[in-house]
Amino acid sequence: RKEVEQDPGPFNVPEGATVAFNCTYSNSASQSFFWYRQDCRKEPKLLMSVYSSGNEDGRFTAQLNRASQYISLLIRDSKLSDSATYLCVVTLSNYQLIWGAGTKLIIKP
Amino acid sequence: EPEVTQTPSHQVTQMGQEVILRCVPISNHLYFYWYRQILGQKVEFLVSFYNNEISEKSEIFDDQFSVERPDGSNFTLKIRSTKLEDSAMYFCASVIGRGNEKLFFGSGTQLSVL
Repeated sequence: RKEVEQDPGPFNVPEGATVAFNCTYSNSASQSFFWYRQDCRKEPKLLMSVYSSGNEDGRFTAQLNRASQYISLLIRDSKLSDSATYLCVVTLSNYQLIWGAGTKLIIKP
Repeated sequence: EPEVTQTPSHQVTQMGQEVILRCVPISNHLYFYWYRQILGQKVEFLVSFYNNEISEKSEIFDDQFSVERPDGSNFTLKIRSTKLEDSAMYFCASVIGRGNEKLFFGSGTQLSVL
């Protein structure tokens, strides 16, 4: 089983819609969780950290479910500029970062 | 916002040649990383570096790879004898310290081995 798994997509979503995707992790000792965004052939950029209590940043909401070992990302009122690959990153107790393969999101006008 | 800079942005080399990829991490950061991403595939960890030595490395980081911080600012990745399968985008990243996983990435070096 992969350490961090994501549905590769692509998710094709009309502009203005709400989209959500999950990321599952296998190591129950995972400590920190993040969503990164990567545009085509560009470097990953931190989108948001994911806290146990959940957190929101504008149109983006991230949730952590430790019991089921997954994190989620919800994007409301999606924009064309949200088209990207969203990478899930999990940190282990030794601070090693484990990257998911990413979920590709395409927002269509 | 501070930036990690990488040079060159593109590197084309012949199989068997040595290449050196250069990175200048953010000045007050203490941990440095190299990642690679083959076109269409996931970001893969290569190596992390702290206090002038390798702290972790992946299976990809074999004897053909080495890293160095020769002058306190540059952080280099050397591939001694490139193979076709080394063709990828190589990203350098730095972070201020452990426990703070906001990695700052450089814009990458696209390495093409012919």
